[in-house]
Amino acid sequence: DSGVTQTPKHLITATGQRVTLRCSPRSGDLSVYWYQQSLDQGLQFLIQYYNGEERAKGNILERFSAQQFPDLHSELNLSSLELGDSALYFCASSVWGDTEAFFGQGTRLTVV
Amino acid sequence: DAKTTQPNSMESNEEEPVHLPCNHSTISGTDYIHWYRQLPSQGPEYVIHGLTSNVNNRMASLAIAEDRKSSTLILHRATLRDAAVYYCILRDMVDTGNQFYFGTGTSLTVIP
Repeated sequence: DSGVTQTPKHLITATGQRVTLRCSPRSGDLSVYWYQQSLDQGLQFLIQYYNGEERAKGNILERFSAQQFPDLHSELNLSSLELGDSALYFCASSVWGDTEAFFGQGTRLTVV
Repeated sequence: DAKTTQPNSMESNEEEPVHLPCNHSTISGTDYIHWYRQLPSQGPEYVIHGLTSNVNNRMASLAIAEDRKSSTLILHRATLRDAAVYYCILRDMVDTGNQFYFGTGTSLTVIP
């Protein structure tokens, strides 16, 4: 158990819908990262937050947004969903930018 | 983050040592070298990290070249559970925000 909790574990939704993925970081970790991993693809960095502020942005679509709340949990919002958004979405947390990161078990999103 | 280069795949016999190489010729003085691995259908798992000196932990050893332009992850006795994709990543110690790219990694196959 990495200490990072992601909910829900599985999500099935229809095209055009909006979903919210939640991540609770390890206690004391200030950085939260979000990744997307499509079938047989690598881990695509989406976005990073540090202590409530956005610090780095990767290949995140405009239909996607995220935020980190004062209690440090984070949410990834995916809207106007398309079939191609079906993927595993991972959250990771770390204390600082260079320290080891711990990953959750992921949320498997299926868009039908 | 600076770029890393790894072989796409490697094979090892069970209970033999495995040396996984990584080249990072553009590494900066403030970059830590991190290794992660991802087992099938799981989130990435932290393995080890280091700055200049060789490092050992319960999972593996990290050997860093004197010029820091390459490193090697050493699994002392490969087991079937070590079959995974191994990622070598550079992380800036002074930056609280960076894009933590994973690259394509090395897929390790362990032969019984």
